Amino acid sequence: DAGITQSPRHKVTETGTPVTLRCHQTENHRYMYWYRQDPGHGLRLIHYSYGVKDTDKGEVSDGYSVSRSKTEDFLLTLESATSSQTSVYFCAISVWSGGSSYEQYFGPGTRLTVT
Amino acid sequence: DAKTTQPNSMESNEEEPVHLPCNHSTISGTDYIHWYRQLPSQGPEYVIHGLTSNVNNRMASLAIAEDRKSSTLILHRATLRDAAVYYCILRDRRGGWEETSGSRLTFGEGTQLTVNP
Repeated sequence: DAGITQSPRHKVTETGTPVTLRCHQTENHRYMYWYRQDPGHGLRLIHYSYGVKDTDKGEVSDGYSVSRSKTEDFLLTLESATSSQTSVYFCAISVWSGGSSYEQYFGPGTRLTVT
Repeated sequence: DAKTTQPNSMESNEEEPVHLPCNHSTISGTDYIHWYRQLPSQGPEYVIHGLTSNVNNRMASLAIAEDRKSSTLILHRATLRDAAVYYCILRDRRGGWEETSGSRLTFGEGTQLTVNP
């Protein structure tokens, strides 16, 4: 457990409404990530952050924005939710593994349903 | 990132060894081989990683072919709790790229491991 929490854990929302998902970490790690996972598929990177106010796009960033105003929180916003954004969203952090590589640790996920 | 190829599914019996293969014929000299697994209804968890030599940890062993074009994750005695999707991922360790992305992972679809009691 790398001290990662996500909120909410479950959310149902209507098409066109804004939604913000929160990822919180307690260990001051520099790198944070948002992924989505759809049934039967691996995870796909939405956005990532390499420091406060430093973010970049991943492979499926359209329709999503992020913010990181403090080290411990990384927010994912769907400005106007669509049914195609129904998915499970995972937050992750990177931890240097003591000399050879980074390891990623994942939060428990947020299940978002857009009706 | 170089791509990996894994079987869609594998089956094993409890308390028997499991060998999960991964092909990565286009691997570059700077790619680490990472394995993650995802238990049902959970986020992925790190299993093991290596570069050239075989690696062991408390969860598993990683056997890397001499030409590095394939690798095998070995679970020495499968338990029911090992039933999960196992992902083999290549990650470039080049320094400049690592400065911003940290450890950006590209997930494929993995291997669904079923463990029979």
